[in-house]
Amino acid sequence: GIQVEQSPPDLILQEGANSTLRCNFSDSVNNLQWFHQNPWGQLINLFYIPSGTKQNGRLSATTVATERYSLLYISSSQTTDSGVYFCAVGPGNKLVFGAGTILRVKS
Amino acid sequence: DTEVTQTPKHLVMGMTNKKSLKCEQHMGHRAMYWYKQKAKKPPELMFVYSYEKLSINESVPSRFSPECPNSSLLNLHLHALQPEDSALYLCASSPGTGSEKLFFGSGTQLSVL
Repeated sequence: GIQVEQSPPDLILQEGANSTLRCNFSDSVNNLQWFHQNPWGQLINLFYIPSGTKQNGRLSATTVATERYSLLYISSSQTTDSGVYFCAVGPGNKLVFGAGTILRVKS
Repeated sequence: DTEVTQTPKHLVMGMTNKKSLKCEQHMGHRAMYWYKQKAKKPPELMFVYSYEKLSINESVPSRFSPECPNSSLLNLHLHALQPEDSALYLCASSPGTGSEKLFFGSGTQLSVL
């Protein structure tokens, strides 16, 4: 099956700093999504991005499908950005999640 | 309404109990999903329903029994569970059945004693 690797596994930032999270995957996919899981367990869909670049406020994402990776950029981080960031990929709707990046933003 | 609603939020059950988890969405989505998430692990796909029919079963033990009574409702019936089944159970939906954006509910935290 598809292998998904996320890096770094853990990240601690000072409020206001920028960061880049990476997702590598082993096979061609037509579905790639980024999620944020807050400390209460809620999974929020940040981006549906099988290819190309998208921006939403302080967040942006880029997927280079031909090279099998995606990047999530967080700018001017805030304490509310803390939580786990998951990349999920798949053929169709059969998504496989990476292990996640645990982000802690300190004030 | 852009929500996926799950009930109950917390559930404690014994190994001989029968219980059900409920998931509801009113976004007109045609695919609904059950995921299981153990502590400090990523979500793992259990079942997918497409147009109210079971389309994916990821070799889930029969003590978990999904049901999709209509296009808005998804249930997960639990029977004779084991303590290792304790986890966060997440429901999700998507507009279509292919490569689509997924929307998650807030989950049911299940403890099996």
